[in-house]
Amino acid sequence: EVQLVESGGGLVQPGGSLRLSCGASGFIFKTYWMSWVRQAPGKGLEWVANIKQDGSEKYYVDSVKGRFTISRDNAQDSLYLQMNSLRAEDTAMYFCARNGISRQWPNSDWGRGTLVTVSS
Amino acid sequence: DIQLTQSPSFLSASVGDRVTITCRASQDISFYLAWYQQKLGKAPKLLIYSASTLQSGVPSRFSGSGSGTEFSLTISSLQPEDFATYFCQQLNNYPLTFGGGTKLEIK
Repeated sequence: EVQLVESGGGLVQPGGSLRLSCGASGFIFKTYWMSWVRQAPGKGLEWVANIKQDGSEKYYVDSVKGRFTISRDNAQDSLYLQMNSLRAEDTAMYFCARNGISRQWPNSDWGRGTLVTVSS
Repeated sequence: DIQLTQSPSFLSASVGDRVTITCRASQDISFYLAWYQQKLGKAPKLLIYSASTLQSGVPSRFSGSGSGTEFSLTISSLQPEDFATYFCQQLNNYPLTFGGGTKLEIK
């Protein structure tokens, strides 16, 4: 069974940093593209970032470029999102999601999410 | 960026009804469209990918169609567990984008 478990969320002041983690199990992690998707309270879904199997390709939504960094450790079956210079509008539930073997594959499996709140 | 416009935003229907949700893309995305269902407080669940391919384990009352810029998700006979919010997502171009969502409520 595919499992994705996010951690690292919490309350942070504007301008602060957080590092989200996602532990994966139940599949061969290193063979899949992976994503972060967020959802602000009461709002829709927003794709944040994708990373290729070997980390050689990374893509971001414009609003986080230069502030967020997606990375992965295939030896540890883990996905990360380093978030710097956080803003109030980054407040959201952050989901880790598994894609497929190609970048145009959808998110077939999702974690439960970790909540990030940016507030003073 | 590719904009996805879902309609309607809200839909009130009864158990047993046939409902259709549409998703219009601002430019051609071929067949790179997925549909998700999200229940309150839960993660999204993939229903359809490549516009019309049913994800494993998803009931056959769900179907998708379309290509290019016009897509639809149809539920042939609504069941109580289908009342949720539905999102489309395009995977043709970065940045990947989602539609605004359609909330399906019980009439």
